[in-house]
Amino acid sequence: ETGVTQTPRHLVMGMTNKKSLKCEQHLGHNAMYWYKQSAKKPLELMFVYNFKEQTENNSVPSRFSPECPNSSHLFLHLHTLQPEDSALYLCASSQLGQGYGYTFGSGTRLTVV
Amino acid sequence: QKEVEQNSGPLSVPEGAIASLNCTYSDRGSQSFFWYRQYSGKSPELIMSIYSNGDKEDGRFTAQLNKASQYVSLLIRDSQPSDSATYLCAVKLLDNYGQNFVFGPGTRLSVLP
Repeated sequence: ETGVTQTPRHLVMGMTNKKSLKCEQHLGHNAMYWYKQSAKKPLELMFVYNFKEQTENNSVPSRFSPECPNSSHLFLHLHTLQPEDSALYLCASSQLGQGYGYTFGSGTRLTVV
Repeated sequence: QKEVEQNSGPLSVPEGAIASLNCTYSDRGSQSFFWYRQYSGKSPELIMSIYSNGDKEDGRFTAQLNKASQYVSLLIRDSQPSDSATYLCAVKLLDNYGQNFVFGPGTRLSVLP
């Protein structure tokens, strides 16, 4: 596989469930990101990892817990979510440095019921 | 607060016309600028990047950058209905890692047959 792969594509979960989103990149990039995209709102940066070390946490509620076991894999663990957390969750990767853009995964459409 | 602003649209143009999408940014130290296209329900895909003042052309797309005015634009020549999407302007911040983007809210483009 090439590019950035996210699973699952769609997820419906209850507020008391625990689930995880997975992201894998096959591009040799050294930074990975989680973004949230809600309807009619800009992309919101959630977490940033450089060489599997977290370098940014944008005041994200603790019910979202990231994990980056190596530079190719990124997880977002979810627990006791709220209906307002329903959104498209996007994983991206990039090389560090000014000249490099992101490559996004296809996203996970999350619905919290 | 680093900001990127775009007109949310929708911008409607007839097929074959030139579509002009505009973006302004607040961080004067920004060095790298990117345009992403996002179809409804899909993830953003990178279409253009620009780093130097002036124009950069790639097929039907031309990116224009004016750092003095903190302004970047995207022109789409010979617009096609398949160009109908939301276009996101992204500015890479000048930080230690060269990793962080700020995304604009996006401009929705509708190309009418």
